[in-house]
Amino acid sequence: GAGVSQSPRYKVAKRGQDVALRCDPISGHVSLFWYQQALGQGPEFLTYFQNEAQLDKSGLPSDRFFAERPEGSVSTLKIQRTQQEDSAVYLCASSLDRSTEAFFGQGTRLTVV
Amino acid sequence: GQQLNQSPQSMFIQEGEDVSMNCTSSSIFNTWLWYKQDPGEGPVLLIALYKAGELTSNGRLTAQFGITRKDSFLNISASIPSDVGIYFCAGHQYNNNDMRFGAGTRLTVKP
Repeated sequence: GAGVSQSPRYKVAKRGQDVALRCDPISGHVSLFWYQQALGQGPEFLTYFQNEAQLDKSGLPSDRFFAERPEGSVSTLKIQRTQQEDSAVYLCASSLDRSTEAFFGQGTRLTVV
Repeated sequence: GQQLNQSPQSMFIQEGEDVSMNCTSSSIFNTWLWYKQDPGEGPVLLIALYKAGELTSNGRLTAQFGITRKDSFLNISASIPSDVGIYFCAGHQYNNNDMRFGAGTRLTVKP
């Protein structure tokens, strides 16, 4: 596709439920980032992939958060046993390489009730 | 946490006015980027800066990469109602994989 695509756009989960968020990056982009954005804040880094390799997961807030990009294209962010504090917008971005401009998807708004 | 200090936090201006916002850090950044985010959407890239001192324009937008590599500003000239939104600065350092974001400047333009 022409841009970064994320699905679903909105997700409501009951506390304790597992969720999976999908990101389709721009074709040919090596680098893929996941960010978490709380209401009224700037995006906060979660994790970084170069092709299929997860090179940095220093921003993942707990071991309930897991991300993968098995074939170096589509990525999935999984959150296990969701908690209310996980409610946020989850943004995916891709770029040709890690230091060039990154393009964002529309985000997935997760609400944990 | 965020390492970039972005100001002002919000601005209320009249249509046609010029706007200036900036971002500072105690750390050196090698790339500065400016994004605009509309409600319910992801950030959209406005300008990317790669060299200290670089001044780049994109239509009515002008951004500069500070000489010290610790700051950047974004100017919007002759504002129009569709400029409304939240503007974020972001910086990238060679020894980090991620971009660090400021907290954003919320711009309101009154017709």
